Amino acid sequence: DAGVTQSPTHLIKTRGQQVTLRCSPKSGHDTVSWYQQALGQGPQFIFQYYEEEERQRGNFPDRFSGHQFPNYSSELNVNALLLGDSALYLCASSAPGTGRGNTIYFGEGSWLTVV
Amino acid sequence: QQQVKQSPQSLIVQKGGISIINCAYENTAFDYFPWYQQFPGKGPALLIAIRPDVSEKKEGRFTISFNKSAKQFSLHIMDSQPGDSATYFCAASLDSRSTLGRLYFGRGTQLTVWP
Repeated sequence: DAGVTQSPTHLIKTRGQQVTLRCSPKSGHDTVSWYQQALGQGPQFIFQYYEEEERQRGNFPDRFSGHQFPNYSSELNVNALLLGDSALYLCASSAPGTGRGNTIYFGEGSWLTVV
Repeated sequence: QQQVKQSPQSLIVQKGGISIINCAYENTAFDYFPWYQQFPGKGPALLIAIRPDVSEKKEGRFTISFNKSAKQFSLHIMDSQPGDSATYFCAASLDSRSTLGRLYFGRGTQLTVWP
């Protein structure tokens, strides 16, 4: 059973460029969340998708956008990259249901470096 | 505003010793408290989690102690091993279908276990 998979694992972009990161949730999971983890910090919630809609959003600017596809996979897009966007971007997935008893699983992350 | 405060920032323990990491939270509505372990270059992996209807949960060498009135919870690692050397994050969430997935993380504790 594959866990949460993310791609690419590493990438380098130039300031002002745009980037797309991809995530496939764990089998049987329908909810995907994205987190940004700066070096030496805890992950910060960006947003969450289920039923192909953004359901919750953290304190991130509109430059950060996302999408969820019918197969539950998801993309994170960041426009007009800033040096401060350099971080590990984590995708997390959870299973359907009422919420209680669910476990949130994280992928290995995508390392983004903005130069 | 940091919703989950974690201490210490770093911890050095001798092999066989007990590692203790503490967290405090602000939002009394939180009802799901997981701990994640993260190795360098990897995504966070769920270690153990607790809900406020119990005061303690033990899984192998890992124990969570939960004090609802004090809004505090802690992770105890018994018989600490060099392989436990990693960064540990506490987190909190509202455990419902619409809010699960939005985890509020502490800043992390870097644990080093000396052989």
